[in-house]
Amino acid sequence: DTGVSQDPRHKITKRGQNVTFRCDPISEHNRLYWYRQTLGQGPEFLTYFQNEAQLEKSRLLSDRFSAERPKGSFSTLEIQRTEQGDSAMYLCASSPDRVDTGELFFGEGSRLTVL
Amino acid sequence: AQKITQTQPGMFVQEKEAVTLDCTYDTSDPSYGLFWYKQPSSGEMIFLIYQGSYDQQNATEGRYSLNFQKARKSANLVISASQLGDSAMYFCAMTETNYGQNFVFGPGTRLSVLP
Repeated sequence: DTGVSQDPRHKITKRGQNVTFRCDPISEHNRLYWYRQTLGQGPEFLTYFQNEAQLEKSRLLSDRFSAERPKGSFSTLEIQRTEQGDSAMYLCASSPDRVDTGELFFGEGSRLTVL
Repeated sequence: AQKITQTQPGMFVQEKEAVTLDCTYDTSDPSYGLFWYKQPSSGEMIFLIYQGSYDQQNATEGRYSLNFQKARKSANLVISASQLGDSAMYFCAMTETNYGQNFVFGPGTRLSVLP
């Protein structure tokens, strides 16, 4: 059974560098979500894809953040010109179409530390 | 816009006793889903229980039950017979069916089970 996988699990970078995270959802899941979670807080919604279409994007997502899901399978989240405030856990989750009756399946997250 | 409130930053419970974690929500969408997730110190998000806005009965899953009071817009999680392994962060979450598909999470409650 293959769950949601995220890569890398940990990333340490210097301020100003670009970073990219990858998420491979459960294969039959059409919906893919990105969240950011800081210590002691709940996950904050960043963006959501249905297949390859990016349907929602949070106001929290500045122009430095971009996400893609080019073939409706895996997704990437890129952060350009990282800032120390970007340090967080980036969570990816997927779900089948009937999200109103089903749950999100989360990956283990990618932890970003910006020095 | 949907919103989730969890007013208990931390809770303590004695092993084998029951505990209630509070969650209130706000939405103008008549069709929505409510979820509870557990996040142990290892970081993974674990789905616990789901309640649909049109469900007549309160949801139950093993030792977990959801006390759904629609008029009060509350969806409290009840854990019966607490175990040491229940110590974790607990997040209430919500998704709306008609007004967007993102999941919104509350700030969480940290539950500590005492031996």
